[in-house]
Amino acid sequence: AQSVTQLDSQVPVFEEAPVELRCNYSSSVSVYLFWYVQYPNQGLQLLLKYLSGSTLVKGINGFEAEFNKSQTSFHLRKPSVHISDTAEYFCAVKGYSTLTFGKGTMLLVSP
Amino acid sequence: DGGITQSPKYLFRKEGQNVTLSCEQNLNHDAMYWYRQDPGQGLRLIYYSQIVNDFQKGDIAEGYSVSREKKESFPLTVTSAQKNPTAFYLCASSADGSAQRGYGYTFGSGTRLTVV
Repeated sequence: AQSVTQLDSQVPVFEEAPVELRCNYSSSVSVYLFWYVQYPNQGLQLLLKYLSGSTLVKGINGFEAEFNKSQTSFHLRKPSVHISDTAEYFCAVKGYSTLTFGKGTMLLVSP
Repeated sequence: DGGITQSPKYLFRKEGQNVTLSCEQNLNHDAMYWYRQDPGQGLRLIYYSQIVNDFQKGDIAEGYSVSREKKESFPLTVTSAQKNPTAFYLCASSADGSAQRGYGYTFGSGTRLTVV
């Protein structure tokens, strides 16, 4: 079975500060990992994904994530956030037929 | 441009009525999915379909029904048996849903259903 734990439900941060959103997973099949972003009243948009190869994955909007197999983690980072990054972020792992999502982390960026 | 269209964006229904949410994609994707989103609960899988004329229950299928008569379309019916239907519903599609492939999902913009 697959599961995803997002350790923080909310992360408040000031504009231009760095941020890390934490994600731990468990999976009994191949490890394919994803981060999605959701703005209010919208669908989810893919930020980045890890399929294989380099453990550091770069995505859109300056985000990156690091796959750590021994820690079963896939944390999302951005070195300097903008107000426009305020949104909910979801980590997901691919299972036999579907993606399993975490409960989400709300990133709140203030001036 | 290719994408997924969910309609309507907002839907209001009286308790006890069935309601159907539309989901259409022009991405030529084989697999389609319905998720329900409630505050603080993440996304929970209702139904999914890997191929036309076939679909499987997800984690919270009770009170819902689907059909997949065409590759492009995967409508979701919320029946009167669903005890708490008020939620945000998201439809998604994938080029290939199998575990061996690392395809992610493309999401629609969602339908917010309110039952009064």
